[in-house]
Amino acid sequence: RKEVEQDPGPFNVPEGATVAFNCTYSNSASQSFFWYRQDCRKEPKLLMSVYSSGNEDGRFTAQLNRASQYISLLIRDSKLSDSATYLCVVNSNQAGTALIFGKGTTLSVSS
Amino acid sequence: NAGVTQTPKFQVLKTGQSMTLQCAQDMNHEYMSWYRQDPGMGLRLIHYSVGAGITDQGEVPNGYNVSRSTTEDFPLRLLSAAPSQTSVYFCASSRTTGMHYGYTFGSGTRLTVV
Repeated sequence: RKEVEQDPGPFNVPEGATVAFNCTYSNSASQSFFWYRQDCRKEPKLLMSVYSSGNEDGRFTAQLNRASQYISLLIRDSKLSDSATYLCVVNSNQAGTALIFGKGTTLSVSS
Repeated sequence: NAGVTQTPKFQVLKTGQSMTLQCAQDMNHEYMSWYRQDPGMGLRLIHYSVGAGITDQGEVPNGYNVSRSTTEDFPLRLLSAAPSQTSVYFCASSRTTGMHYGYTFGSGTRLTVV
C-alpha cells in the first residue's frame, strides 16, 4: 500500500458545484495532515492544515478520520479559479521531518 | 520579504556534468528540504535539514549532496548528472518541524539532462 493515495481524477465540474476529494494514508503514527494546491507548472502552496476535529476555511472543509486513516477535502460553490491539482500531504514521522505527498487530484471547473 | 528563492529557473546539463541548485530563504526558517517532482510520481524528498550544520537523507538521495552552512541557504549539488535526474526540483522551508507547520516552496528549477 502506497503511503498516501488519492483519487487520480480528473474531476470535471461546472461552476457552483460541490466536489469532494479523498485521501488515505498508511502510517498510523502520522500526526500532521495538509492539503496543498498546485497550479500548472507552479510550486505547491499550502491550502489548509487538517485538524482532528475537522476544519473549515471559507468554501473549503477538511476532515480527518484517524481510525480509517482517511482525509477529505470538500469544495463548495466551485469557482473557475479553483481549477488546479490538489495534493494530500502527511507527515511520515513524529519528528515532522518528512512530509509525504500524494500524487494529486486534478480539478477542472468550467463555466 | 522574498520567501524562498531558487536559482536557476531552467537548466540544461550534459550527462556527467555537475552543478549546484541554489535555494535561499529570508524567513529565518529552521527547516529546509529539497523535493523532486516527476510526472506520475508526485513529489519525493531528496534531502532535508533541521538547522545549520544538520542534514539528512530523504527518500531519493542518491546522486545528490547537500550542506547547510547558514540558516538561509541550502544548496543541492548534482555530482554527475544523469538523464534520470531530469525533473522539476523544489526547495521548501518551514519555521520548524512538527505539527501543523506547512511548507513554503520556491518556484522550482526545471532541469533537463541530455
